[in-house]
Amino acid sequence: QQQVKQSPQSLIVQKGGISIINCAYENTAFDYFPWYQQFPGKGPALLIAIRPDVSEKKEGRFTISFNKSAKQFSLHIMDSQPGDSATYFCAARQAGTALIFGKGTTLSVSS
Amino acid sequence: NAGVTQTPKFRILKIGQSMTLQCTQDMNHNYMYWYRQDPGMGLKLIYYSVGAGITDKGEVPNGYNVSRSTTEDFPLRLELAAPSQTSVYFCASSYSPQPAGALSGNTIYFGEGSWLTVV
Repeated sequence: QQQVKQSPQSLIVQKGGISIINCAYENTAFDYFPWYQQFPGKGPALLIAIRPDVSEKKEGRFTISFNKSAKQFSLHIMDSQPGDSATYFCAARQAGTALIFGKGTTLSVSS
Repeated sequence: NAGVTQTPKFRILKIGQSMTLQCTQDMNHNYMYWYRQDPGMGLKLIYYSVGAGITDKGEVPNGYNVSRSTTEDFPLRLELAAPSQTSVYFCASSYSPQPAGALSGNTIYFGEGSWLTVV
């Protein structure tokens, strides 16, 4: 059973456009929702994270939108740049347990 | 400031062979993890450890073993390699998971990965 569903699997965005990646979860006990960014040949690295009592968190061009009632959260990348081309993973965690990751979205930003 | 270091970076194994993936961290984290990453499948937890001497199974533990004799090291052992174990393996570490309010304490730090092919 996949606990964190991520979509789309791949995404192509023009330079300067908005990239949007969505995730949905079922477990209402999840209390921590990070996004990780992975470049080819490297390990994932934390990009931004949110807790469920906040509806939005913004760090530079990256924003997480969180909808607790719908059990969904999304990553928005504003003014997407070629350097943003990477694989993005959403994740969720229940207190005291390990992170559960979505299947990933490969983002390509064309110049 | 090395962070999480994994070795080897690349390895080709024959079916039935054994090997150990090494992992060490210098951040004094008490939690350590092994994930495998397969194309289009995300990261799946193999084993994790909450401290020296304590390990527990993750989502896909079959075919693997771990040990945690020190805070720094968390090796992953493949006893009888099978083609299904062809994957990219990531070791990671973190402090103890914090309550949701302490976001910064929840970061998991990953190594750069070990590419394993079983033929």
